[in-house]
Amino acid sequence: SQKIEQNSEALNIQEGKTATLTCNYTNYSPAYLQWYRQDPGRGPVFLLLIRENEKEKRKERLKVTFDTTLKQSLFHITASQPADSATYLCALVPPILSGSARQLTFGSGTQLTVLP
Amino acid sequence: KAGVTQTPRYLIKTRGQQVTLSCSPISGHRSVSWYQQTPGQGLQFLFEYFSETQRNKGNFPGRFSGRQFSNSRSEMNVSTLELGDSALYLCASSFNTDPPTGELFFGEGSRLTVL
Repeated sequence: SQKIEQNSEALNIQEGKTATLTCNYTNYSPAYLQWYRQDPGRGPVFLLLIRENEKEKRKERLKVTFDTTLKQSLFHITASQPADSATYLCALVPPILSGSARQLTFGSGTQLTVLP
Repeated sequence: KAGVTQTPRYLIKTRGQQVTLSCSPISGHRSVSWYQQTPGQGLQFLFEYFSETQRNKGNFPGRFSGRQFSNSRSEMNVSTLELGDSALYLCASSFNTDPPTGELFFGEGSRLTVL
């Protein structure tokens, strides 16, 4: 089955810096990869989706890259702010021929803290 | 547009009891998925319903069950509760998701504590 690893359970950075979070996966390459943000006691909120044929996707201060050779996605937050402090989850959908259930599978998340 | 609504938000049960959680998806969304979230295991997929049919199921014991009604509202049930069932149960809805490529809209969750 697919295994997803998000490097660093916790990441602390200074306000204004760029935060970079990593999502690695094993086995087959997913057709899509998504990133979510989760605040304590709340449900995850969708941020970005990137397809396997896309190298990069941007949304305001957020940027996601997808390297199917490295089996890795990087999530960047530029000009980080204390309000960006949250847990960030990557999630992927197995490709049709993988044999796995067509469900969104989540990584364990990286807790980001932006220090003022 | 109202978001995904889950009830109850918090509940406390004792071992051996059973519990039913409810989820109202966003209007127009026909797919409802359920996830269990614990500190140790993260988000674990329970099952997904589409048009009143269970379309996908995760690796959970038969004590965990669900259903979906004609109005897309969904319920999940856990019978014979165990201490390890204490978790945040999250419901998510989406548009037609086969494959599930679109974003999931999550509710705030139901926090279950089993004593």
